[in-house]
Amino acid sequence: TQLLEQSPQFLSIQEGENLTVYCNSSSVFSSLQWYRQEPGEGPVLLVTVVTGGEVKKLKRLTFQFGDARKDSSLHITAAQPGDTGLYLCAGGSISNFGNEKLTFGTGTRLTIIP
Amino acid sequence: NAGVTQTPKFQVLKTGQSMTLQCAQDMNHEYMSWYRQDPGMGLRLIHYSVGAGITDQGEVPNGYNVSRSTTEDFPLRLLSAAPSQTSVYFCASSYSPAGRFYEQYFGPGTRLTVT
Repeated sequence: TQLLEQSPQFLSIQEGENLTVYCNSSSVFSSLQWYRQEPGEGPVLLVTVVTGGEVKKLKRLTFQFGDARKDSSLHITAAQPGDTGLYLCAGGSISNFGNEKLTFGTGTRLTIIP
Repeated sequence: NAGVTQTPKFQVLKTGQSMTLQCAQDMNHEYMSWYRQDPGMGLRLIHYSVGAGITDQGEVPNGYNVSRSTTEDFPLRLLSAAPSQTSVYFCASSYSPAGRFYEQYFGPGTRLTVT
């Protein structure tokens, strides 16, 4: 079973601060996705990275896929209360049918204090 | 477009009861999956399907059955509910033609409590 550990598990910071969330595994993944989940709702995709070393930016969010495709990070600049939520990473691996299936990380619950 | 719908939203069962969680999508997606979400454990894959009549087990399949008779529907059956199955269940669908890098669309979830 592939495991994805996220750290920290909980993070509470003041509005305007920067933060980084980590997603680590001993397994190699074909892709890495990041989702955000609001209370009472399902996760929503933020980004997909597929190449080792790849960096993607989504406004104030920067996502990086590790060179060995075993880890990833999410950096938020000047955090805002709207960034509050549960952040989940998910690693892709090939299923028995040749499709990619996802293994989700343990999650980081982020709270931005106004 | 309703996207992915799940019913019921909340359910309380007694140990040993059976029930079916419903999931439907109107996006003509081939790939559908069921996850359970427990505190501190992210989402764990229960079963998935790559098309009508084709299903496979995920990480935590014990105690659950699935079938896929149509592209739209992917119900999850609990055979004999146990307290360990208390969780929030999410259904997801995606377009995945034996390819990669797809986005999964999640339903709103079913919160199940087994007493």
